[in-house]
Amino acid sequence: NAGVTQTPKFQVLKTGQSMTLQCAQDMNHEYMSWYRQDPGMGLRLIHYSVGAGITDQGEVPNGYNVSRSTTEDFPLRLLSAAPSQTSVYFCASTRTGYNSPLHFGNGTRLTVT
Amino acid sequence: KNEVEQSPQNLTAQEGEFITINCSYSVGISALHWLQQHPGGGIVSLFMLSSGKKKHGRLIATINIQEKHSSLHITASHPRDSAVYICAVGGGADGLTFGKGTHLIIQP
Repeated sequence: NAGVTQTPKFQVLKTGQSMTLQCAQDMNHEYMSWYRQDPGMGLRLIHYSVGAGITDQGEVPNGYNVSRSTTEDFPLRLLSAAPSQTSVYFCASTRTGYNSPLHFGNGTRLTVT
Repeated sequence: KNEVEQSPQNLTAQEGEFITINCSYSVGISALHWLQQHPGGGIVSLFMLSSGKKKHGRLIATINIQEKHSSLHITASHPRDSAVYICAVGGGADGLTFGKGTHLIIQP
């Protein structure tokens, strides 16, 4: 059972470039979310989805887009990378929401120069 | 928005010691999560609590809903327990709110 698979593990971008962080889960979870983790701060929610075709913004959505065309996949798109987006990104899924155990991907370390 | 405070921020202890990490929050919740993150590693869910106490191996988590407080205990600590421990609280439209984490180092 793969759980939550997140790719790539590392990425370096130049300012203005775009890219997509991939996230896939094989547990048939309805709820998926993207977080960023910065030094000295707790994980912060970027975007989340409560099911296929449904997405919503979290605490820090600016500069990011998401879509959820299938239950399994929840990609995060950086439209025009900025140095402020240098961070570690985590994708997570839960069966039904915050009252279910959390499953995290292994993270993507992104550097924007 | 819920405010989540963890204490201590940093903790260094000797192997075998009993460890306690605390988490307080400001607004009533539906669930509280304890997570573990090893250096450079991913995040693993340890516990999800809505009331009472849970135990898994040497780890024990308790929650007091009335006092808005949870504790994570590690008995007979071991160097492999060295990690960042993160508390997250959930409930309502704000989703999950995370603490900043407790950096634990267990020395042999």
